[in-house]
Amino acid sequence: DQQVKQNSPSLSVQEGRISILNCDYTNSMFDYFLWYKKYPAEGPTFLISISSIKDKNEDGRFTVFLNKSAKHLSLHIVPSQPGDSAVYFCEGGGADGLTFGKGTHLIIQP
Amino acid sequence: EAGVAQSPRYKIIEKRQSVAFWCNPISGHATLYWYQQILGQGPKLLIQFQNNGVVDDSQLPKDRFSAERLKGVDSTLKIQPAKLEDSAVYLCASSREGETGELFFGEGSRLTVL
Repeated sequence: DQQVKQNSPSLSVQEGRISILNCDYTNSMFDYFLWYKKYPAEGPTFLISISSIKDKNEDGRFTVFLNKSAKHLSLHIVPSQPGDSAVYFCEGGGADGLTFGKGTHLIIQP
Repeated sequence: EAGVAQSPRYKIIEKRQSVAFWCNPISGHATLYWYQQILGQGPKLLIQFQNNGVVDDSQLPKDRFSAERLKGVDSTLKIQPAKLEDSAVYLCASSREGETGELFFGEGSRLTVL
């Protein structure tokens, strides 16, 4: 049972535009969600998080939105830059532990 | 501060052989995780340590995988005997005690089983 789903394996966005990465979850017990960014041959690095009691968290060009009723969260990157090209993982966490999605490969085109 | 260190970065073995991976977490981080990431999938938790005690090993294939964290610092993950489907990147991560969420990952150890 995949508790965290990232249904888009890849996403291509033009430089300067907004990138929107989506994540759906089924476990209503998650207390927090995190986004990680991963470059090839490197480990994932933490990007931004959101508590389940909030609906938005912003950090520079990155904003995460949480819609608990829809069990959906999204990561917005604006403006998108070439260095944002990477695989992005959504993670849900709580008392049951941590669960990652399969990731979305974001490609920023010049 | 120094990051999470892992070795070896790459390992190629034949099926039925054994392999061991080593991880040194960030100094002071009480919690250590081993993840398995198969190509095209997200990281899957194998085992979580809090200091030198096991918190969660429900997804560790215990017939062939073992892990230890002696003295609550370094950790080793062993596979014996390896199977073809064990080909993956093995990621070690650590986090501060009491904090929720943010994991600090090492660069991973890529295992290829032939």
